[in-house]
Amino acid sequence: GAGVSQSPSNKVTEKGKDVELRCDPISGHTALYWYRQSLGQGLEFLIYFQGNSAPDKSGLPSDRFSAERTGGSVSTLTIQRTQQEDSAVYLCASSPLKPATQYFGPGTRLLVL
Amino acid sequence: GNSVTQMEGPVTLSEEAFLTINCTYTATGYPSLFWYVQYPGEGLQLLLKATKADDKGSNKGFEATYRKETTSFHLEKGSVQVSDSAVYFCALNNNAGNMLTFGGGTRLMVKP
Repeated sequence: GAGVSQSPSNKVTEKGKDVELRCDPISGHTALYWYRQSLGQGLEFLIYFQGNSAPDKSGLPSDRFSAERTGGSVSTLTIQRTQQEDSAVYLCASSPLKPATQYFGPGTRLLVL
Repeated sequence: GNSVTQMEGPVTLSEEAFLTINCTYTATGYPSLFWYVQYPGEGLQLLLKATKADDKGSNKGFEATYRKETTSFHLEKGSVQVSDSAVYFCALNNNAGNMLTFGGGTRLMVKP
């Protein structure tokens, strides 16, 4: 079946602009995660959604970052007033409730000029 | 807090050589342990996992054994192929949300 999809695959933006990154999880997966992969920080957790519960935002690096998940499916990660240090690959993953193996999308490569 | 440490790369091997990529972890409780692989230009894929002490995860000729006494989950393969060239990530989770904590990744390059 279809895997996790993300769009766009690449995004180039200017410093100070807002960007939106989209994730379509595997159908039926209740959990959705956002991670960031950057040269300096490696792979780091950003935010987690589980069903209709309040998201776990403990990994968000600043209040410029936010995410929502509509209807328990598609998620959008928004970065406001982008900075050069936001340049990274943003990965989305989803998992069923059990087993909790996470399946990753191909990522969105963000470059902030 | 949780942390994962894995050997830095790149690791360069000839085809059919034996591979070991070391991974050690720090965590409270009883984490599940994972190896993910990222092939060039592709996303992260789960390679193998182990959910309790002494479990051995295996897939595509790769193996890793969950060693609680040494807090390790080393990845091994008896005979690597050029197609195994990729970046390998060791990871754990031990929380209700199952968020993964990753190591820094190890790039493997296999030469024919």
